[in-house]
Amino acid sequence: EVQLVESGGGLIQPGGSLRLSCAASGFTVSSTYMSWVRQAPGKGLEWVSVIYSGGSTYYADSVKGRFTISRDNSKNTLYLQMNSLRVEDTAVYYCARDLCSGGTCYYNWGQGTLVTVSS
Amino acid sequence: QSALTQPASLSGSPGQSITISCTGTSSDVGGYNYVSWYQQHPDKAPKLMIYDVTNRPSGVPDRFSGSKSGNTASLTISGLQAEDEADYYCSSYTSSSTLVFGGGTKLTVL
Repeated sequence: EVQLVESGGGLIQPGGSLRLSCAASGFTVSSTYMSWVRQAPGKGLEWVSVIYSGGSTYYADSVKGRFTISRDNSKNTLYLQMNSLRVEDTAVYYCARDLCSGGTCYYNWGQGTLVTVSS
Repeated sequence: QSALTQPASLSGSPGQSITISCTGTSSDVGGYNYVSWYQQHPDKAPKLMIYDVTNRPSGVPDRFSGSKSGNTASLTISGLQAEDEADYYCSSYTSSSTLVFGGGTKLTVL
């Protein structure tokens, strides 16, 4: 059974850094496309970043240069390093596994981890 | 990376059909057959309902169908049921190798 479990969220001051983790089971993270998607309180979904099976990475303009997506194949875990955090980064962050082999649709989702950026 | 345009809300009675539109540009919706639709109930993770414009993942009822014309994609739910009440989001691959979501549509089943 495929399972994704996020962790690492919490309360952080503006300008601070946080690293989110997404532990995967039931499949191999390095063999597929994985994304981070966030949802601000009461708002819609916002795509954040993707890492391809081949290692290429892409980011939304809103996080480019501040966030870094990576994976640890030995731990079968996806990460999101978030630096220079802003109040507007406050959201539930979901990791998701691609179904379409192109990073274009996401079938498996974690439960989400809440990041709150506030002074 | 502007969000795709969806109606903020829609409503329908049980048994009726409704259609949610999702409008983008030639750089996203119109340029690729990589439109997906997600259903999200309160405090739950999104659920994939349609991918690659018209395809349904295993387990999704055939009451849900997708289509696209030009820069606008659509999700149609026929035979509306109470459990269909949720938020619906479209997404599309873009020419920048990124993904963009729509603003979401709140569906109310009267």
